[in-house]
Amino acid sequence: GAGVSQSPSNKVTEKGKDVELRCDPISGHTALYWYRQSLGQGLEFLIYFQGNSAPDKSGLPSDRFSAERTGGSVSTLTIQRTQQEDSAVYLCASRGQGSANEKLFFGSGTQLSVL
Amino acid sequence: SQQGEEDPQALSIQEGENATMNCSYKTSINNLQWYRQNSGRGLVHLILIRSNEREKHSGRLRVTLDTSKKSSSLLITASRAADTASYFCATAYTGTASKLTFGTGTRLQVTL
Repeated sequence: GAGVSQSPSNKVTEKGKDVELRCDPISGHTALYWYRQSLGQGLEFLIYFQGNSAPDKSGLPSDRFSAERTGGSVSTLTIQRTQQEDSAVYLCASRGQGSANEKLFFGSGTQLSVL
Repeated sequence: SQQGEEDPQALSIQEGENATMNCSYKTSINNLQWYRQNSGRGLVHLILIRSNEREKHSGRLRVTLDTSKKSSSLLITASRAADTASYFCATAYTGTASKLTFGTGTRLQVTL
């Protein structure tokens, strides 16, 4: 596609349920990032993929959070046993390869609400 | 935390005035980028300045970087109501060049 696509755009779930968030990066972009943004706050780094591997997953807040990327393309972020503090906008971004491609292209995000 | 800090947190100006936002960071960087966010969703890249550059322009945007003070500023000249948004600086720290760390953002309101 022309841009980074995220789905769903909004997700309402009950506390304790698992959720999966999807990110479809720009075709050919090797790097993919997940960030989280709580209401009125800055972006909190979660995880970074280069191809299918995740050299930096230091931002995942707990073992309830996991992410994978297959085929060097689509990525899913899974949150198990959701808690109310997981409510936030989850943003995905992708980047091309090399020093000439340092800017990130963001999707529109998934607004997650845990009731 | 390596998160940058921006000030002011919020800025309200009238159309036609200039808006200046500042960003401070903590350790040495490869580059610093500014992004804009409308309505709390996706961010759009505005401008990138490398650690060996001191000033960069793009249209009505002017970015400066002072590595000795570990700070950057974004100037928007002749602001328009459509510039109303949140603005974030993001730093690529040396040694973690693949990861961008975002600041806390400045909420800019431009009124008619």
